[in-house]
Amino acid sequence: GQSLEQPSEVTAVEGAIVQINCTYQTSGFYGLSWYQQHDGGAPTFLSYNALDGLEETGRFSSFLSRSDSYGYLLLQELQMKDSASYFCAVRDRGNTGKLIFGQGTTLQVKP
Amino acid sequence: DGGITQSPKYLFRKEGQNVTLSCEQNLNHDAMYWYRQDPGQGLRLIYYSQIVNDFQKGDIAEGYSVSREKKESFPLTVTSAQKNPTAFYLCASSILIQSNQPQHFGDGTRLSIL
Repeated sequence: GQSLEQPSEVTAVEGAIVQINCTYQTSGFYGLSWYQQHDGGAPTFLSYNALDGLEETGRFSSFLSRSDSYGYLLLQELQMKDSASYFCAVRDRGNTGKLIFGQGTTLQVKP
Repeated sequence: DGGITQSPKYLFRKEGQNVTLSCEQNLNHDAMYWYRQDPGQGLRLIYYSQIVNDFQKGDIAEGYSVSREKKESFPLTVTSAQKNPTAFYLCASSILIQSNQPQHFGDGTRLSIL
């Protein structure tokens, strides 16, 4: 089957850097995505990694290592508005490319 | 502005009642999806559709039904067979289901039992 693991909660202070890890097990692999969801809101797309390495988008970066079935989301210069849940998701070739989501990591940014 | 509209925002279901959640998109996306989210949990796929008049079951389809008569619309019916319907329901769309294009989500419908 397919599964993803990520920490349930992370706490950090404003201005700091935080890393949210994600490990996955899939029957095939077609990229790792990250989504942000504020409480009660719609998930929004943050980043996508199909190949190994680091992708940078402003304060957010995402990393993938296919050999380790591992990725992470790196958030720099944390702001209070970054307090949200972050989900990693994979597209599994063996399942017509639909997204499989992790359980989510709740990030709390403190002043 | 293009986007996905879900309605209603809040919905209450009585025992034995079917209810339908609306999802409309004007992004011209081919693929549409319905997810269920329980408190503190990730998103679980209920149904998805790659093209008009075609849809497939996701991981938790029992007790739900969908239709895709128009490209823009993908309504979800929560039937009386779904014994635990209380959850946050999210509709999403993307350009192609097998592409690396991101999914765009609506603001969700929160369903509760009366």
